[in-house]
Amino acid sequence: AQRVTQPEKLLSVFKGAPVELKCNYSYSGSPELFWYVQYSRQRLQLLLRHISRESIKGFTADLNKGETSFHLKKPFAQEEDSAMYYCALMALNNQGGKLIFGQGTELSVKP
Amino acid sequence: EAQVTQNPRYLITVTGKKLTVTCSQNMNHEYMSWYRQDPGLGLRQIYYSMNVEVTDKGDVPEGYKVSRKEKRNFPLILESPSPNQTSLYFCASSLIGGGSYEQYFGPGTRLTVT
Repeated sequence: AQRVTQPEKLLSVFKGAPVELKCNYSYSGSPELFWYVQYSRQRLQLLLRHISRESIKGFTADLNKGETSFHLKKPFAQEEDSAMYYCALMALNNQGGKLIFGQGTELSVKP
Repeated sequence: EAQVTQNPRYLITVTGKKLTVTCSQNMNHEYMSWYRQDPGLGLRQIYYSMNVEVTDKGDVPEGYKVSRKEKRNFPLILESPSPNQTSLYFCASSLIGGGSYEQYFGPGTRLTVT
C-alpha cells in the first residue's frame, strides 16, 4: 500500500536547537518525495523536493531508500520556522499520479 | 501574477443543498487536484486531473464530483453535502513530469455543512 507516515503530531524545540521531522513512506516504485510547509493562515507551499537536493531556509532532506525515509532536518531552528510541515509522495501510475500526504507535524520553536 | 484561486473562501450551507467550489489557475498547468484538510488526518486527495477531460479518483472521492472542461478550471461539486464534508478544501495545480510535480496551492475554502 502507498502510505506516508509522520509519526510526530507536534515537535517543540527551543530556538537554536537542531530539528528533525520524521517521514517514512511505503511505495513499490521509485518515489518522488516532497516537503510542504504551511505557515499560520497561509496556503501550503513547497519547501523541498528530493530530486533537486536543494537546501531551502536552512532545511535539508535526504532520501534513504533502504530505510524508506525522507526526514527533514535543520541544524539551528528559528522562531519563524514554526509551522505545519507535510511530507508528500507522488505515486505515479499509467493513468497519472496521486499525491499522498502524511498527517503533518506541527513544529513549534520557542524563544 | 501566477496563482491558483478558489471561490468562495468561506461557505456555510445546509445538508443536501448542492454546491460548487471553483478553482482556477493561470499557469497553464496540466495537473490539477483537490484536497481536504482535517485535523489529525493531514491532507487527503479527493480527485485529480492530468489534463482536460481526464480525471481520476484520489483517496476520498465519495460524495464529490469534478469536471475538467477547460485547462484552467477544475470545479469541485458536492451534489448533496453532508456534515462529514465540513472541512478545509484546497485546490492545487502543477506541471507534469521531469520532477515538476511541485503543487501550487490555492488559499483554501472553509466549508461548513449543518
